[in-house]
Amino acid sequence: QVQLVQSGAEVKKPGASVKVSCKASGYTFTSYDINWVRQASGQGLEWMGWMNPNSGNTGYAQKFQGRVTMTRNTSISTAYMELTSLRSEDTAVYYCARVVTHKIAYYFDSWGQGTLVSVSS
Amino acid sequence: QSGLTQPPSASGTPGQRVTMSCSGSGSNIGTNPVNWYQQLPGTAPKLLIYNNDQRPSGVPDRFSGSKSGTSASLAISGLQSEDEADYSCASWDDSLNGVVFGGGTKLTVL
Repeated sequence: QVQLVQSGAEVKKPGASVKVSCKASGYTFTSYDINWVRQASGQGLEWMGWMNPNSGNTGYAQKFQGRVTMTRNTSISTAYMELTSLRSEDTAVYYCARVVTHKIAYYFDSWGQGTLVSVSS
Repeated sequence: QSGLTQPPSASGTPGQRVTMSCSGSGSNIGTNPVNWYQQLPGTAPKLLIYNNDQRPSGVPDRFSGSKSGTSASLAISGLQSEDEADYSCASWDDSLNGVVFGGGTKLTVL
């Protein structure tokens, strides 16, 4: 079965960087884009961007441009999301999600369990 | 980044039918399909409805989705206590070139 397993919780100081991993199994990793979505406590879901594991191409939400980098290691079927210049407002649970695309369809059919990133001095 | 608009809360009693709305614009819902995600307390979101009205395998037919113009709706019939969760709508936005989410509707089963 499709599974996305994320790395563990992180505690960071303001100004630091964090890199979250997302290991895929149960399907061909390079056949589906991976997106990253975050959720602050008590808030809604917020889309951060996408990565094509085959080509390495990426697209980021304007809000995160210049601060986020999405990469992958195809040999171990793992996607990464790095966020720099962390501030307290970046405290949230970060999710990776597999994307199904077909014509104009674009939806997340499988999600990681989430990684809590806490930013505090 | 502009998002979709959802009422913050909804409620119903067991067995009842409840609906929740999701409002967008021409660049997102007006042009692209709507998807719904269910998030049980303390868990990751789960795909509930895709392409406006399609249910993934394993999702009961008590859940249904619809879309008209720049708005969409999720309906739950035969409400059960285990349906108590947050429900978020989402769609691709052609102007933003990314996914937009609604703020989520918290469903309480009384």
